Amino acid sequence: GENVEQHPSTLSVQEGDSAVIKCTYSDSASNYFPWYKQELGKRPQLIIDIRSNVGEKKDQRIAVTLNKTAKHFSLHITETQPEDSAVYFCAAPKDSGYSTLTFGKGTMLLVSP
Amino acid sequence: EAGVTQFPSHSVIEKGQTVTLRCDPISGHDNLYWYRRVMGKEIKFLLHFVKESKQDESGMPNNRFLAERTGGTYSTLKVQPAELEDSGVYFCASSQRLGTGIGNIQYFGAGTRLSVL
Repeated sequence: GENVEQHPSTLSVQEGDSAVIKCTYSDSASNYFPWYKQELGKRPQLIIDIRSNVGEKKDQRIAVTLNKTAKHFSLHITETQPEDSAVYFCAAPKDSGYSTLTFGKGTMLLVSP
Repeated sequence: EAGVTQFPSHSVIEKGQTVTLRCDPISGHDNLYWYRRVMGKEIKFLLHFVKESKQDESGMPNNRFLAERTGGTYSTLKVQPAELEDSGVYFCASSQRLGTGIGNIQYFGAGTRLSVL
C-alpha cells in the first residue's frame, strides 16, 4: 500500500515569508496528489491538487510541484499571511483508482504578524 | 449547496459504552469515506462505500466498528463497545462517481470528536 511521509511537522514563519512543506510517497503508480488545509476546529478543505501529467501547478500564492522520479511533491506558499496558519495535509491515492487517500501526518504552519 | 455534515460534533462516553456517528454526504455523491485522526497523527482511512456497498473496509481497526450506508445516502459508524484507544476525530468525506482520468476530489465534514474515558 501507499506510504506518505510529510515534513516538517511544525513550521513557523514571519508574515510575508515563504513556506514549503514536503511529502514523499512510495507507490510509483500514484497519479493524483491533493493538499488539504485544516483550520482550527474546521473541516479539512482541498486547496490545490496535482495530477502526474504535470510537474507544477499554481493558484495565486499557492503552488505545488511534483517530481515523479524522486516520488516527492511539495506545497509552496508565498507571501504568507496570518490566515494561512493551519494544519496542512498532503495525500496520495491508496491505490491506482484515484480512490481512498493515504495522508501524511500533517504540518502545523504558524504565520506570525 | 450543503456540504458534508456530521453528527454529533463531539461525543464523550465511558469505556464499554456504544456510540453511533452519522454522516450525511453531499447529495448525489456515490462515494463515502470514513477516516480517523488520533491526536497528532495522520488522517487514517477506515472504510469506503460506493453507494450502499462497502468497496474497501481494510482500514477498520477491529470488529467493534460497524459501518452502514443503507439506501446509499447517509452513513453511520457504530463503535461497540468503545475502548480508550478509539478516541480521536472521525471524519467523513464524499466524492462524486469515479471515472478514468478524473481526479477524485473528496469533500470533508467537520468531524466528530470522540472522547472515551
